[in-house]
Amino acid sequence: DTGVSQNPRHKITKRGQNVTFRCDPISEHNRLYWYRQTLGQGPEFLTYFQNEAQLEKSRLLSDRFSAERPKGSFSTLEIQRTEQGDSAMYLCASSDNPGSGEQYFGPGTRLTVT
Amino acid sequence: GENVEQHPSTLSVQEGDSAVIKCTYSDSASNYFPWYKQELGKRPQLIIDIRSNVGEKKDQRIAVTLNKTAKHFSLHITETQPEDSAVYFCAATRPSGYALNFGKGTSLLVTP
Repeated sequence: DTGVSQNPRHKITKRGQNVTFRCDPISEHNRLYWYRQTLGQGPEFLTYFQNEAQLEKSRLLSDRFSAERPKGSFSTLEIQRTEQGDSAMYLCASSDNPGSGEQYFGPGTRLTVT
Repeated sequence: GENVEQHPSTLSVQEGDSAVIKCTYSDSASNYFPWYKQELGKRPQLIIDIRSNVGEKKDQRIAVTLNKTAKHFSLHITETQPEDSAVYFCAATRPSGYALNFGKGTSLLVTP
């Protein structure tokens, strides 16, 4: 499968625990995006990388959230001290440069905070 | 502002009828406007997109129109089929020029 992959697909954690998600973009896509989606809503932008540089981060994003893309390939999203309000589907997408602009989404990681 | 407003939130049409979904955006710098289709439990998939230097684009039964002056764009689906039933999201580029702001979605139901 040459599409965007995300792991794990599901994560259940207790409030206050830290969690980390991984995204592997389409090979050679240099742009990578993280979004969060809750039921009945559209994807909400979290952060964006071009290669290893984090170029944009949502002003709404708590400092409990951090993302990295150390070698410009896969990316990780960490949430510290999880809260019940963090429960959502976390989507990763990638696009090429310059390309068509189309963002290809991964299957998502569903986080449930109990 | 960074808002993308989308209407209606739900839309029910009979098979063969047309469906229209409308979006407005607030950032005049937005230059790329994609539409995504998301079926239940699946990832969003691009169905059509338009850039700010184009007023209209068509792909078979799907078309998108853009009015930059009014900051609104619309999705038109003709000859709807039951398999068109899904949630549709519009989006517009953020100030970075690449990441997207999404609307809240329109749940389209096409009844046979």
